Amino acid sequence: SAVISQKPSRDICQRGTSLTIQCQVDSQVTMMFWYRQQPGQSLTLIATANQGSEATYESGFVIDKFPISRPNLTFSTLTVSNMSPEDSSIYLCSFGGAPDTEAFFGQGTRLTVV
Amino acid sequence: GENVEQHPSTLSVQEGDSAVIKCTYSDSASNYFPWYKQELGKRPQLIIDIRSNVGEKKDQRIAVTLNKTAKHFSLHITETQPEDSAVYFCAASYGNKLVFGAGTILRVKS
Repeated sequence: SAVISQKPSRDICQRGTSLTIQCQVDSQVTMMFWYRQQPGQSLTLIATANQGSEATYESGFVIDKFPISRPNLTFSTLTVSNMSPEDSSIYLCSFGGAPDTEAFFGQGTRLTVV
Repeated sequence: GENVEQHPSTLSVQEGDSAVIKCTYSDSASNYFPWYKQELGKRPQLIIDIRSNVGEKKDQRIAVTLNKTAKHFSLHITETQPEDSAVYFCAASYGNKLVFGAGTILRVKS
């Protein structure tokens, strides 16, 4: 099965700054997904990233706050912009999962905003 | 709307007993229902999945059942072991994405 790697694994950032998270898959995938997992909570989809088009954002998430790049079929980035302590969370990238295939997740980025 | 409800939120069982976690979904068009296990500090890992053309699937101590009419599906773990302790998430497909349940913390007491 494909390998998906994500970095950084963790970071502590000052409020008002931005952090870019990178996700690399070792094979080409059509769609990549970015999730947020707040402490003790479930996985909430932020957006779906397609190569060659703008990402599709879920309700409650906007491009200005979470800009996404998808320059090719193996790579994507998520930026958390103008961070506040409420953005402290784990962010996960993923591919697969629907309509009927296994979803694979990156190891996650644990973000703490101080 | 897109919704997956999962119960219970916490489940404690004695080692060797069975554990059952239940989920309901809202969209009759959903056709893929995976279950993920997430250990502390780790990424979610698929443990079993079921597609809408199947009513039950089993893999060793783990089984999943699906009732499409009622729009609910369940995870069954038999002969639980301490290493089964983790958070379990159900999910349902909505188009090209997955929507996850809130999760169940399973504690297996030895």
